[in-house]
Amino acid sequence: NAGVMQNPRHLVRRRGQEARLRCSPMKGHSHVYWYRQLPEEGLKFMVYLQKENIIDESGMPKERFSAEFPKEGPSILRIQQVVRGDSAAYFCASSQRTGLEVEQFFGPGTRLTVL
Amino acid sequence: GIQVEQSPPDLILQEGANSTLRCNFSDSVNNLQWFHQNPWGQLINLFYIPSGTKQNGRLSATTVATERYSLLYISSSQTTDSGVYFCAVVSFTDRGSTLGRLYFGRGTQLTVWP
Repeated sequence: NAGVMQNPRHLVRRRGQEARLRCSPMKGHSHVYWYRQLPEEGLKFMVYLQKENIIDESGMPKERFSAEFPKEGPSILRIQQVVRGDSAAYFCASSQRTGLEVEQFFGPGTRLTVL
Repeated sequence: GIQVEQSPPDLILQEGANSTLRCNFSDSVNNLQWFHQNPWGQLINLFYIPSGTKQNGRLSATTVATERYSLLYISSSQTTDSGVYFCAVVSFTDRGSTLGRLYFGRGTQLTVWP
């Protein structure tokens, strides 16, 4: 049973370009979470999605960032007009159901470097 | 949001030694997970342990929810245990956590020398 898949594993972009990060949850999981790990801030929640719905995006920057989880295909975290401060590791997690007492399983992460 | 504090921040051991990592949290929790971030940056699930004790090989964990702490024990440490160990929690008292948002501590950086 494959785990959470993320691609690409490493992504290099120049300032002003767009970055697209993909996440395929574990088989049978329909809940996806995105977290960001910045060097000085640690791991922080960004957004929580179910199929075709954004449930909680309160941790996501208001501008340039968006996320989706379509009916078919992976979840996508999109960053428009990237800046150097967006350089970080972005992790996706998935769970089988929602709620307070649910284990989240993490992917290997995408390391974004903005030149 | 809920505060998660991990100690010690850094730990250096010789191979074969035992260690205990601690995670304190500021409120009641419904979910507590331990992770190992290896030197390649990958986050590995170690334990899902909102309460009680679990063991997996050389690793074990105990959460005492009423006293708001969890402990991760590593016995007979190996160089492959090196990396950062994170504790993360979900609390029903946090508005965001009703949807499963995990709050992470800053981690314990473990270095095991041969």
